[in-house]
Amino acid sequence: DAGVIQSPRHEVTEMGQEVTLRCKPISGHDYLFWYRQTMMRGLELLIYFNNNVPIDDSGMPEDRFSAKMPNASFSTLKIQPSEPRDSAVYFCASSLAVNTEAFFGQGTRLTVV
Amino acid sequence: GESVGLHLPTLSVQEGDNSIINCAYSNSASDYFIWYKQESGKGPQFIIDIRSNMDKRQGQRVTVLLNKTVKHLSLQIAATQPGDSAVYFCAENRGSYKLIFGSGTRLLVRP
Repeated sequence: DAGVIQSPRHEVTEMGQEVTLRCKPISGHDYLFWYRQTMMRGLELLIYFNNNVPIDDSGMPEDRFSAKMPNASFSTLKIQPSEPRDSAVYFCASSLAVNTEAFFGQGTRLTVV
Repeated sequence: GESVGLHLPTLSVQEGDNSIINCAYSNSASDYFIWYKQESGKGPQFIIDIRSNMDKRQGQRVTVLLNKTVKHLSLQIAATQPGDSAVYFCAENRGSYKLIFGSGTRLLVRP
């Protein structure tokens, strides 16, 4: 298995534009997590899914952020409209079951100018 | 104004020595803990995990100790190598598999 795959690896966009980050979890994994990493706040859990259903989105910063998981092999994190303070590295992770290791993707580095 | 980022505690060790990285967690109901290693430009990488019904678990060159009484977790790395230089995070499951990460510790290995 190729592991968790995220795209794009880097994204530079202008303030106000819509940004969509993509994630393909490891096949067979029931849990999918979206994290944001910044120097200011470290690794923050934004939202996680179990069997494609959002379980906890309390970490999503505001309504500009939304995440979907239309099927077991694909998830998106969308920011609309984007702002400079959204600049960060966004990680997707997946795990097989409760209380098993979560595998991380390589991340998407987002820069909003 | 100048932004203030997280001040990562740094542990500097001599190559070949043992390293101990500590982590305090806040939720007494947390039942699963993981240590991750993150190298520059990469995603966090799993090192070792432990469930709350254990107080010690060993892997290859690594040992995790869990003290539930004081809510403390530690990672011990034996015979530290230059390749161990990275930022290390502990993560806890705060229920329903909500994995929350600590702020991290930077490990520097001196040759």
